[in-house]
Amino acid sequence: GAVVSQHPSRVICKSGTSVKIECRSLDFQATTMFWYRQFPKKSLMLMATSNEGSKATYEQGVEKDKFLINHASLTLSTLTVTSAHPEDSSFYICSARYDGRSYNEQFFGPGTRLTVL
Amino acid sequence: GENVEQHPSTLSVQEGDSAVIKCTYSDSASNYFPWYKQELGKRPQLIIDIRSNVGEKKDQRIAVTLNKTAKHFSLHITETQPEDSAVYFCAASEFNKFYFGSGTKLNVKP
Repeated sequence: GAVVSQHPSRVICKSGTSVKIECRSLDFQATTMFWYRQFPKKSLMLMATSNEGSKATYEQGVEKDKFLINHASLTLSTLTVTSAHPEDSSFYICSARYDGRSYNEQFFGPGTRLTVL
Repeated sequence: GENVEQHPSTLSVQEGDSAVIKCTYSDSASNYFPWYKQELGKRPQLIIDIRSNVGEKKDQRIAVTLNKTAKHFSLHITETQPEDSAVYFCAASEFNKFYFGSGTKLNVKP
């Protein structure tokens, strides 16, 4: 149990276009999901906390108008990179917190490799 | 916010030797400390975690120690095997959020 999927796994887009990445908890409910960004050979940087039914909370320095997050259901959060530019190219990973568990464990998705040309 | 530092950034050991990775954190409110293993291009996988009310936890060849007073925690891998080669990340969690260390690339030489 506790499987998280992401779609797509890879995406290549032209500069100026928008890209949507989906994060799903397949066998559990997740009121809270998280979005991370990982540069090559670097750590995971928390971008934002996605809350079902309410606005996402963004970490300092992350542009909320650039990275739109929608958490429309208890199993789905989406990250839209708007007007993408080459510097947005990165590995984006989501994670989900298992509702009902008393501890903080997060389950990670497989990641989405975004390349902006 | 929380600041997690991790050392070393790279670690090479001979198969069968032990490996130790250390992390420090800044926020005394952090109460959960997981360790993740990440292979190239894949998702992080939880290998062990520890809560702030525990000083040590062990799972087969892997152990984690926590010193709350000093705000540091360590990962110990004994009898290393080539398949242990990967990047390891520590994290500190304050309520929901995870703040990750910079990662340690472990290379176990056969």
